[in-house]
Amino acid sequence: DIQMTQSPSSVSASVGDRVTITCRASQGISSWLAWYQQTPGKAPKLLIYAASSLQTGVPSRFSGSGSGTDFTLTISSLQPEDFATYFCQQANSFPITFGQGTRLDIK
Amino acid sequence: EVQLLESGGGLVQPGGSLRLSCAASGFTFSSYAMSWVRQAPGKGLEWVSGISGSGGSIYYADSVKGRFTISRDSSKNTLFMQMNSLRAEDTAVYYCAKDGRPGRVRDFDYWGQGTLVTVSS
Repeated sequence: DIQMTQSPSSVSASVGDRVTITCRASQGISSWLAWYQQTPGKAPKLLIYAASSLQTGVPSRFSGSGSGTDFTLTISSLQPEDFATYFCQQANSFPITFGQGTRLDIK
Repeated sequence: EVQLLESGGGLVQPGGSLRLSCAASGFTFSSYAMSWVRQAPGKGLEWVSGISGSGGSIYYADSVKGRFTISRDSSKNTLFMQMNSLRAEDTAVYYCAKDGRPGRVRDFDYWGQGTLVTVSS
């Protein structure tokens, strides 16, 4: 199975900050990487697919990059609604696997 | 508007069975792969199983292989998960999720609200 490792596990930031979350795959996954946002009690929301494609309706302050084994999710200017938990997910091979999550808190 | 509505969760004893359903609407159901993803209380996301739009390709996580069976009924626009030999570690919120693009299971653009499965004596 492909292991997905996110860093950091948690981060504190302020409104307006730029934040970057990284995700590393245990083997190459080309660009088959998605990012999700989840708030407590809610289902995850797809932000980015194919490593860098912005899902329809997602604000442009979210961006993704990377290929192979190393990927990043960047939020250019944090808004209050962005404080949530973020997960990466590889879609290259079965079983599909998720990272352990990165919790983004208000500083 | 795409909607996914899960049902069938509840409290079951270890070794018992449950059948989850996910009623889909707002898209051409047979064109999209579907998956079940679960989340244990306070934990991360775990993909459980996926099925192609035609139903001809099925995939499982090792943790449920041989115990869970995914299926779909395109005449009813409904996804199912038959869960047998349930264990305490199967306790989780189970989400059904629609694939983002026609084709194989890749990523999930719509999710249901989730249904809680609790395995306990």
